[in-house]
Amino acid sequence: QQQVKQSPQSLIVQKGGISIINCAYENTAFDYFPWYQQFPGKGPALLIAIRPDVSEKKEGRFTISFNKSAKQFSLHIMDSQPGDSATYFCASGDGGSQGNLIFGKGTKLSVKP
Amino acid sequence: DTAVSQTPKYLVTQMGNDKSIKCEQNLGHDTMYWYKQDSKKFLKIMFSYNNKELIINETVPNRFSPKSPDKAHLNLHINSLELGDSAVYFCASSHSGGNSPLHFGNGTRLTVT
Repeated sequence: QQQVKQSPQSLIVQKGGISIINCAYENTAFDYFPWYQQFPGKGPALLIAIRPDVSEKKEGRFTISFNKSAKQFSLHIMDSQPGDSATYFCASGDGGSQGNLIFGKGTKLSVKP
Repeated sequence: DTAVSQTPKYLVTQMGNDKSIKCEQNLGHDTMYWYKQDSKKFLKIMFSYNNKELIINETVPNRFSPKSPDKAHLNLHINSLELGDSAVYFCASSHSGGNSPLHFGNGTRLTVT
């Protein structure tokens, strides 16, 4: 089965620092790359998503960088805050059908005050 | 006015029992899903329903059966529960087609003893 490889598994960042999470996908047919954020006891929620026709997308402190040739994309969290502490999942899929999303294994981010 | 609600939140049962988890969404979405999140936080799709039609059926045991009485509901019935079924089960919904985010419920933590 197609995989999405996500790293690191866990990440500790000081308040105000930059958090970086990386993902790599295999299927060149994938054209939709979302990131989901999950707090303990809650379901994942869409944070930001990108299509391969752009190399970067920014929403507030959150930026996705996309490298189509390398089949890699990453999430950057600028000015990380303790409230950002959560598990982050990247995903890849065929934008024509949400159900085909394949999730990475998640990164547990802890932002220390 | 929870968007995607699932019940129960916790379910503890013995091996061999049959149980159901209910899910309802009030977002007007036409596609609903069930995901399984294991102890390592790995998210894997189990089923999705679009307009009462099963459109994805991953290789899950046939002890698991989704039932959708209408577009707003997708229940999950599990027969002959096994220890390995212990996990958090998430219901989700979305509009069909690309670029439509998944909206997850808050999960049902199933523990089989």
